[in-house]
Amino acid sequence: AQSVSQHNHHVILSEAASLELGCNYSYGGTVNLFWYVQYPGQHLQLLLKYFSGDPLVKGIKGFEAEFIKSKFSFNLRKPSVQWSDTAEYFCAVSHGSSNTGKLIFGQGTTLQVKP
Amino acid sequence: SAVISQKPSRDICQRGTSLTIQCQVDSQVTMMFWYRQQPGQSLTLIATANQGSEATYESGFVIDKFPISRPNLTFSTLTVSNMSPEDSSIYLCSGSANTGELFFGEGSRLTVL
Repeated sequence: AQSVSQHNHHVILSEAASLELGCNYSYGGTVNLFWYVQYPGQHLQLLLKYFSGDPLVKGIKGFEAEFIKSKFSFNLRKPSVQWSDTAEYFCAVSHGSSNTGKLIFGQGTTLQVKP
Repeated sequence: SAVISQKPSRDICQRGTSLTIQCQVDSQVTMMFWYRQQPGQSLTLIATANQGSEATYESGFVIDKFPISRPNLTFSTLTVSNMSPEDSSIYLCSGSANTGELFFGEGSRLTVL
């Protein structure tokens, strides 16, 4: 069965530290890849997405992610985190040939940024 | 971007009862979906809500337990039937746009006693 793994369940960083959240998926075909963020008390929002083209995608709020097909990975990065980045982050995958609303989510990573 | 409204935002229900969650989007989306987020877990797709026809359910979810309607493009309901404490979850409505982006409602937090 297809699955998405997020290696870090809970990450604590100080402001200005660099962030990398791991995401691996198990599916051999064409995929669409997403990172969603859920700030405390708010709904899920799209950070960035990859469908095709440049494997390095840039999203909102200074986030970026790199699709490495050979590693089945789509890690999320930010060079310098802020206190306001405290949130839960979800990696998600859909099959490239199917409707992209049918997503498989990772278990999520809780990021806590200390001021 | 699409705005998705759900109600109720939260409810506390008794075992054996049923609750219907409503979802309204403010623009035409290509598809609508219902997800569940159980405590401490990730989101799991329950079903795809099809306009004017029966929903398409994922493995482990059945129509008798989670009947879904979608009478038009911008409205859908999910009913959680004959509830038990194991049904305590956040239920999220979502809609996909032509861009492939999936938008989410704020979720309906259900607690079953």
